[in-house]
Order: sequence, then structure tokens, then C-alpha cells
Amino acid sequence: EAAVTQSPRNKVTVTGGNVTLSCRQTNSHNYMYWYRQDTGHGLRLIHYSYGAGNLQIGDVPDGYKATRTTQEDFFLLLELASPSQTSLYFCASSDAQNTLYFGAGTRLSVL
Amino acid sequence: GDSVTQTEGPVTVSESESLIINCTYSATSIAYPNLFWYVRYPGEGLQLLLKVITAGQKGSSRGFEATYNKETTSFHLQKASVQESDSAVYYCALARGSALGRLHFGAGTQLIVIP
Repeated sequence: EAAVTQSPRNKVTVTGGNVTLSCRQTNSHNYMYWYRQDTGHGLRLIHYSYGAGNLQIGDVPDGYKATRTTQEDFFLLLELASPSQTSLYFCASSDAQNTLYFGAGTRLSVL
Repeated sequence: GDSVTQTEGPVTVSESESLIINCTYSATSIAYPNLFWYVRYPGEGLQLLLKVITAGQKGSSRGFEATYNKETTSFHLQKASVQESDSAVYYCALARGSALGRLHFGAGTQLIVIP
């Protein structure tokens, strides 16, 4: 069954820590995205990619790097985590009709 | 910029009662954005509930309906009779037709259906 799988589901780190969030999709979609969601805000786009090796900047990219290693795998990197990056992170892929398919989310706490 | 405003939750409704979750949008650079409702059930990712790309048209799914009203820039979500299984968070969103994945989301509305 086609799906978007995120790992880990929960992560706790300290300020200044190094965190990598992983996302794998089996939808055979070219487009993948990383969003964050905070209370009182809608999902906000961090980075996205059109395919392996491609990276595009989203609306809230500061403090984040991303890498798309294959069509299936998209990683979000926080190299110096800060408390302001405490959030719920969603990965998604999209089809040509602009329908997004989301993972279940990763809840990150930066202490 | 583009933005979406929706009913602030949580919204609590008794089973079999009707529901409306308001959504209004501002699309300063898009004449006719695509409009979406996504739903997130507990422990799951968001999934598409319905989508409308043409002003004046209505979308429907699982008993939910929403009409794209360009005059009032609204896309309210309605259901005549909710069920406990409808308890979830509902997100309104807009996008340019050509901007794959570049959706602007509302803050989400948590719906609690009381049996």
C-alpha cells in the first residue's frame, strides 16, 4: 500500500543538538515537502523537492536544511536545534493533481 | 500574501446535529485559487477530504460539502448530521493551480462529536 512514513514519531533533544527527521514515500511521486505546524498556525512549508538531488526553499526555511537522496527519501536536518523549532513536523508527497499525501507526523521537543 | 482563516476550535457538536466550519481566504495574487479541505484523524497524517478548483462549484465527500464562493471568498465546510467518527481536526487550504504542494493552510479546527 502506498504511503508516507515518517521517523521518528517523537524526538526530544537539547538546545544546540543535531536532529534528522526522515521521510519515505512509496507513492512514486516526484514532489515531496516538509511542513511544520504550531498551535494557532496552519501548516507552514519549510522545504520541498521536485526529485532526487533537488531542493527548493519554502516559506519558513531558517534553521533547517533538507536533502532528497532518492525519489523515496527526504530528510530534514536541524544542525543546531533551538526551542523555537519545537513543533509538529509533517512530510508529504503530491501527485500531479496537487493532492498531498501526508505522513503521521513527528513531534519534536527542543529543551 | 495569501492566507486562510477558519473557525477557531474546538468545536463541540452532539452526534446527529449539523455542522458548519467557516473558512475565508485572501488570495492577493491568485484570481481563482484551488480550495481544499483536509482532515487529520487522531494519530494519522492529514488526508484530502474534498477539493474544488472552479468558483461556484461544490465539492462533497463522506457527507461533507463545501461551496467555492468567489464573491464572499469563502469555502465553508458543512455536514447535515455528524457522527462520532467525524471527530478530527479539519484544515482549509488554498493553492495556485500550478503551485504543486505550495498550499496555504488555515490553523485547523478541532471537531469533537459527543455521542
